[in-house]
Amino acid sequence: DTAVSQTPKYLVTQMGNDKSIKCEQNLGHDTMYWYKQDSKKFLKIMFSYNNKELIINETVPNRFSPKSPDKAHLNLHINSLELGDSAVYFCASSQRLAGTSTDTQYFGPGTRLTVL
Amino acid sequence: AQSVTQLDSHVSVSEGTPVLLRCNYSSSYSPSLFWYVQHPNKGLQLLLKYTSAATLVKGINGFEAEFKKSETSFHLTKPSAHMSDAAEYFCVVSSGGGADGLTFGKGTHLIIQP
Repeated sequence: DTAVSQTPKYLVTQMGNDKSIKCEQNLGHDTMYWYKQDSKKFLKIMFSYNNKELIINETVPNRFSPKSPDKAHLNLHINSLELGDSAVYFCASSQRLAGTSTDTQYFGPGTRLTVL
Repeated sequence: AQSVTQLDSHVSVSEGTPVLLRCNYSSSYSPSLFWYVQHPNKGLQLLLKYTSAATLVKGINGFEAEFKKSETSFHLTKPSAHMSDAAEYFCVVSSGGGADGLTFGKGTHLIIQP
């Protein structure tokens, strides 16, 4: 049973397109996250979201928007894709918000986005 | 503010020899510290975490780490390396709140020589 799943695993698209990456967790967690891992393997948080608040890393362009239809899902929408958006995107979840608790984050397998 | 420094971008050891991956942190609050492992083309898996209980933390696959407040370090060790340990290892600090809740180090690539 996969705890945190993402689709698609690979996404290749043209510059300027709009795309979405889906994330689902079956752990019953209240908080979900999106991270970006660049070509040098550096991981940076993009969003933290629970049923009370969305916290956005100020460095994330507003072309990126998370959408949560319910507690178990946090999808990532990206508008007007740019070459620099190419990266691996990881979804994660935890029971409570990172930084306010010691709860472990569980990560999905990642989505490799390539913008041509 | 918080930060993590992984002192080695690459570490190479022979199979059966000890592993040491170094991590230093800085934090304005009492931190929680984690080590995650990422195998090639895979997601991240938690190895172990420190949450202000015992300073020596045991994790999965024979890994352990010791929290040393005086040295602001949280080094990861394993007595005997196995070929399957070859992966990218991330030291992570969690303190404060908001979008800075988790800060990742830049990773250490562990290479196991046969």
